[in-house]
Amino acid sequence: AQKITQTQPGMFVQEKEAVTLDCTYDTSDPSYGLFWYKQPSSGEMIFLIYQGSYDQQNATEGRYSLNFQKARKSANLVISASQLGDSAMYFCAMREGIGSGGSNYKLTFGKGTLLTVNP
Amino acid sequence: DADVTQTPRNRITKTGKRIMLECSQTKGHDRMYWYRQDPGLGLQLIYYSFDVKDINKGEISDGYSVSRQAQAKFSLSLESAIPNQTALYFCATSDSTARDTGELFFGEGSRLTVL
Repeated sequence: AQKITQTQPGMFVQEKEAVTLDCTYDTSDPSYGLFWYKQPSSGEMIFLIYQGSYDQQNATEGRYSLNFQKARKSANLVISASQLGDSAMYFCAMREGIGSGGSNYKLTFGKGTLLTVNP
Repeated sequence: DADVTQTPRNRITKTGKRIMLECSQTKGHDRMYWYRQDPGLGLQLIYYSFDVKDINKGEISDGYSVSRQAQAKFSLSLESAIPNQTALYFCATSDSTARDTGELFFGEGSRLTVL
């Protein structure tokens, strides 16, 4: 079963408007982390924002905010005031513990959402 | 210079050839990972290593092998490349000693085409 689900293969938004990219996750681990990465057409992976499962407040980084709804297991990315340079693929990822001890992790990624910002 | 460097950045090869993708990092991180990206499938974990003596298979390790030559170097090999291994490959690192969110730091990617 998919652990990270991004249901929007593609999204369009007008420049200067806000957009929400959806992400739901599945885990039984009480301690986990959620990430969003951006991949422009040039291919590199750029870290945007992180939310820990115990964090009380939603994470924000500049124009990016993470709408964390723990009971719904959702971690949607909100981009405010979209810019043309925001056009890219966006990946949601979840940190999962591996092995015993709880100190080693891997990230599991969703399939991504391709965002296009129109002028 | 990039903190996580992958070589080669682009490679075209033929079915049956042996290919090695190399990754080196100057971040001093202990954990290293190899991921594969296919269009529409996101990133899938091939192998990961938490230190030089600890190497583990990921979700899609068949047809791949790895070597952790030093803390800073982690190589991915395709012993006999096949066309469905055509993909974008990422090396990534993370640091267990700092504020440990598990954030991955990625290389620029190696685009491999197998004909």
